[in-house]
Amino acid sequence: KAGVTQTPRYLIKTRGQQVTLSCSPISGHRSVSWYQQTPGQGLQFLFEYFSETQRNKGNFPGRFSGRQFSNSRSEMNVSTLELGDSALYLCASSPGDANTGELFFGEGSRLTVL
Amino acid sequence: GQSLEQPSEVTAVEGAIVQINCTYQTSGFYGLSWYQQHDGGAPTFLSYNALDGLEETGRFSSFLSRSDSYGYLLLQELQMKDSASYFCAVRVAGGFKTIFGAGTRLFVKA
Repeated sequence: KAGVTQTPRYLIKTRGQQVTLSCSPISGHRSVSWYQQTPGQGLQFLFEYFSETQRNKGNFPGRFSGRQFSNSRSEMNVSTLELGDSALYLCASSPGDANTGELFFGEGSRLTVL
Repeated sequence: GQSLEQPSEVTAVEGAIVQINCTYQTSGFYGLSWYQQHDGGAPTFLSYNALDGLEETGRFSSFLSRSDSYGYLLLQELQMKDSASYFCAVRVAGGFKTIFGAGTRLFVKA
């Protein structure tokens, strides 16, 4: 069974540009969540999607957006990039409501903003 | 607000036992989870405590006390490969989100 796949793995952008990151969950998983990881800050919650609906959004500015498609694949977009957006963006999937505590993570997309 | 506190670093000797603590402030949650992340790798699930008490999985054990707002991860017979970051996390009840602590960096010395 394939794991969670995130693309691209690495990318470099300049301030003001926008970026789209993609996440393909494990087959059969309907819940996808996104996290931003920076050194010393742990994983900061960005969004959670279930069956194409955004169920919650973390404390991030409106420049951060996302969506989920009918096949459960998800994308997140960051517009007007700032230097502080440089981070590892992690996607995780779970079969249902994730209330059993187990999230399956992808390897992440490492974004560098110059 | 909701937050989880963990020590930033822990150092232990190969073969020893180490405990990583996690204290939390949250109004309600389904359970406490632990994840391991090696440098450059994805976080991987280690354990989950839905109820108070101890859960054991091989060399790893996890404990939860809701009355004390406290949990811990216990690693026994430490190996060099256990050097990694460890995160505690809670699934917020009715909130449709999982929040994580800042992580504990474990260094295992020979």
